[in-house]
Amino acid sequence: QVQLVQSGAEVKKPGASVKVSCKTSGYTFNSYGISWVRQAPGQGLEWMGWISAYNGDTKYAQKFQGRVTMTTDTSTSTAYMELRSLRSDDTAMYYCARVPIIRGVITVFYGMDVWGQGTTVTVSS
Amino acid sequence: QSVLTQPPSASGTPGQRVTFSCSGSSSNIRRNTVNWYQQLPGTAPKLLIYSNNQRPSGVPDRFSGSKSGTSASLAISGLQSEDEADYFCAAWDDSLNVWVFGGGTKLTVL
Repeated sequence: QVQLVQSGAEVKKPGASVKVSCKTSGYTFNSYGISWVRQAPGQGLEWMGWISAYNGDTKYAQKFQGRVTMTTDTSTSTAYMELRSLRSDDTAMYYCARVPIIRGVITVFYGMDVWGQGTTVTVSS
Repeated sequence: QSVLTQPPSASGTPGQRVTFSCSGSSSNIRRNTVNWYQQLPGTAPKLLIYSNNQRPSGVPDRFSGSKSGTSASLAISGLQSEDEADYFCAAWDDSLNVWVFGGGTKLTVL
C-alpha cells in the first residue's frame, strides 16, 4: 500500500536548520509530487510548498521563500524539506503529502491524497 | 487568520446529519476545486473529499461535499462517534499562489 514515512522528532536551537525526510513506497515515485504542510500546536494547517518528483520543479509559499529548500532523491524515493534560520514560531508538526502529477504538472484538482505521519520540530533555546 | 473561514466548532448526536461551511473568495473557492480533510485526534490529516464532491476510495458515502460560488460545505449523515475530529477545507488561491486552508471545525459527537 502507499506509505509516506517521515523522520523522527527534532529539537533545534533558534538560528539552526532542520532537514525532514519523507520516504515513500507503494507507488511510482516520479508520477507524483510531494507537498509539505505544517501545523503549529493547536493551530490549523499551513502549506509550505511542493516539489515535483517528475522533474524537480518546486513552488514555495512566499512566506518561506529563501528559508526553505525541498529536494527529492529518486534512487530512494525520498523527499526532503530543509528549513533554515529557525525561530520559535517554527515549532510545529511538519507533514509531507502526495500530490498527483498530470501531463508533467502538479495538479491541485485531486488534493493531497496520502500523508506522512508527521515530524515534530521544536525550536527552543 | 485563515484565508478560508470555517466555524470553530460543531456538534451532533449519533445518527444525526451535520454540515460544515467554508467561506472563501473569488481567488480561491470560486476559481478552484475544494478539498476537505479529516484529522482525528493525534493523527495526520486524511483526504475526505476532493474536487468539491468526490470521495477517495474507502471514504463512506455518509460524507458528501458541495460548492456554490465562493462557499463550500461538507455534510456528514448518520453521524458516528468515530467522526469526532477536526475538519479542514482547502483550495488553491490564484492571487496568493498558495494552497489555503480554513481554520478547521472541531466536531463533537454528543
